[in-house]
Amino acid sequence: GESVGLHLPTLSVQEGDNSIINCAYSNSASDYFIWYKQESGKGPQFIIDIRSNMDKRQGQRVTVLLNKTVKHLSLQIAATQPGDSAVYFCAEGRVFNAGNMLTFGGGTRLMVKP
Amino acid sequence: KAGVTQTPRYLIKTRGQQVTLSCSPISGHRSVSWYQQTPGQGLQFLFEYFSETQRNKGNFPGRFSGRQFSNSRSEMNVSTLELGDSALYLCASSLVVSINEQFFGPGTRLTVL
Repeated sequence: GESVGLHLPTLSVQEGDNSIINCAYSNSASDYFIWYKQESGKGPQFIIDIRSNMDKRQGQRVTVLLNKTVKHLSLQIAATQPGDSAVYFCAEGRVFNAGNMLTFGGGTRLMVKP
Repeated sequence: KAGVTQTPRYLIKTRGQQVTLSCSPISGHRSVSWYQQTPGQGLQFLFEYFSETQRNKGNFPGRFSGRQFSNSRSEMNVSTLELGDSALYLCASSLVVSINEQFFGPGTRLTVL
């Protein structure tokens, strides 16, 4: 079946540097994409989303880029901090039956070195 | 505003037993979704409920079921537990008008022995 985000698994960056986490997806029928951050012992935390008709969206210290031509999604974190250390998941969202379904990628572990 | 709460946080069962997990969404959220998270399969969608109706269901066997109550609280049940059901079960809630943003609870860690 179709899946999202097969890149793995660990990205190690120096504190203060920028981080880029990548994700590939295969379902071109998705309506939106979301990035989640999951810290140990916690549920995923919403970071930012982007609709499928957009190419770029910026939040606080984060930017998501969507390249529909090559079905690629990336999350850029500026000035990475130790608190950014976590597993990051991309998820494809689809509106279906008036509800929504998320298909998650495998995740990337971000480790920030002080 | 309180977040999504899940009970219990940890659970140990043996093969063949059944289990019920509970989820209380954020106040005002009417959509509740359930996910299974395992090291091997990652995060997988189980089902989604809205107004006590299941709107969507993932690719899981019939042993996995759920329901939603009139106050939007939801339960999921797994019958005839198998070792492979050991996982973190996550519940997420969202506003109807903000479908993109699902707020996750801390999960229930189920171990099947």
